[in-house]
Amino acid sequence: GNSVTQMEGPVTLSEEAFLTINCTYTATGYPSLFWYVQYPGEGLQLLLKATKADDKGSNKGFEATYRKETTSFHLEKGSVQVSDSAVYFCALSDGSGNTGKLIFGQGTTLQVKP
Amino acid sequence: DADVTQTPRNRITKTGKRIMLECSQTKGHDRMYWYRQDPGLGLRLIYYSFDVKDINKGEISDGYSVSRQAQAKFSLSLESAIPNQTALYFCATGDYNEQFFGPGTRLTVL
Repeated sequence: GNSVTQMEGPVTLSEEAFLTINCTYTATGYPSLFWYVQYPGEGLQLLLKATKADDKGSNKGFEATYRKETTSFHLEKGSVQVSDSAVYFCALSDGSGNTGKLIFGQGTTLQVKP
Repeated sequence: DADVTQTPRNRITKTGKRIMLECSQTKGHDRMYWYRQDPGLGLRLIYYSFDVKDINKGEISDGYSVSRQAQAKFSLSLESAIPNQTALYFCATGDYNEQFFGPGTRLTVL
């Protein structure tokens, strides 16, 4: 079945450091890929998405490229801020039947220190 | 006002008790979802609904039931709560483009 695997956390960085959070997936068909972010005490919110191979999603300085050949969707940011501290979830859509169901990775906690 | 609201936000209950978690949304989407979040496991889908008359089981529906009272309301029930149902529960609405999540209900079963 479809699945998503993220790098283990927590990830601790200093402010202005470069961020990479790895995400790989297993899927049949052509799913869309997403990154959601969960700030402390809040629900998840969409950070960025890509709907087909080679698409790059970007938002708030974050970006990720849909790589079908390596089945990856790694999240990157060139210079993190303290306010980026949160839990980041990689997810894919259920490509069959257009149900809108999401399959999530286990989440990666990012802590950015001043 | 928040687009997706959940009540209660926190609940402590005892083993064997029946409990209902409620969700309301003002986004206007037909689809609604219930997930649970456990540390190290991400979010897992419990139930989802395409409209009032279309309810489907997710990957972990055992021990749970749902009711779709209206387009905007989708409640989750634990008929007889057990300790391994202690988790953070999220309601969401949306479609294949994006889902909008509520703030979550933290449920503890003693």
